[in-house]
Amino acid sequence: EVQLVESGGGLVQPGRSLKLSCAASGFTFSNYGMAWVRQTPTKGLEWVASISTGGGNTYYRDSVKGRFTISRDNAKNTQYLQMDSLRSEDTATYYCARHGVTTVRGVYYFDYWGQGVMVTVSS
Amino acid sequence: DVQMTQSPSNLAASPGESVSINCKASKSISKYLAWYQQKPGKPNKLLIYSGSTLQSGTPSRFSGSGSGTDFTLTIRNLEPEDFGLYYCQQHNENPPTFGAGTKLELK
Repeated sequence: EVQLVESGGGLVQPGRSLKLSCAASGFTFSNYGMAWVRQTPTKGLEWVASISTGGGNTYYRDSVKGRFTISRDNAKNTQYLQMDSLRSEDTATYYCARHGVTTVRGVYYFDYWGQGVMVTVSS
Repeated sequence: DVQMTQSPSNLAASPGESVSINCKASKSISKYLAWYQQKPGKPNKLLIYSGSTLQSGTPSRFSGSGSGTDFTLTIRNLEPEDFGLYYCQQHNENPPTFGAGTKLELK
């Protein structure tokens, strides 16, 4: 059974940092691209970042470029999201998601999701 | 970015009925649309991708149709476990973008 379990969320002040982790099990982690997707009541679901199977290629939404870093450790079956210079608008539930098996021009749907972890950016 | 507009925002139905949820893209996305179900306390579930391809494990009462800018998710013979939130997502062009969701409630 595919499982994705996020951790590392919490309350953080604006401008500070937080690192999310996602532990994967039930599949060969190194064979799949991975992503982070966030959700807020006002903006809904937003793709945040993606990483290729080996970690050599990373992609970000414009609003987090230069502040967030996605990475993975295939030996530990874990992906990460390092979030720096956090802003109030980064407050959201963050989901770890697995890329689907097919893609068009490198754009993915997401075939498995974690249950999410809450990040609150507030003073 | 491609804007995705879902309708209706809310939908009430009874078990056994059939419902349709619509998703409109701001530009053509060919056939590349996914549908997800979201329920409290559970991971989001991929139902359909590439417009009409059922994800493994998705019951056959779910179907997807459409191409270009207009897509529909149809659920026939609603079961009690089908009530929840549904989202569409285009996977044709980066960044992938989602609709605002449709809440399917028990009438």
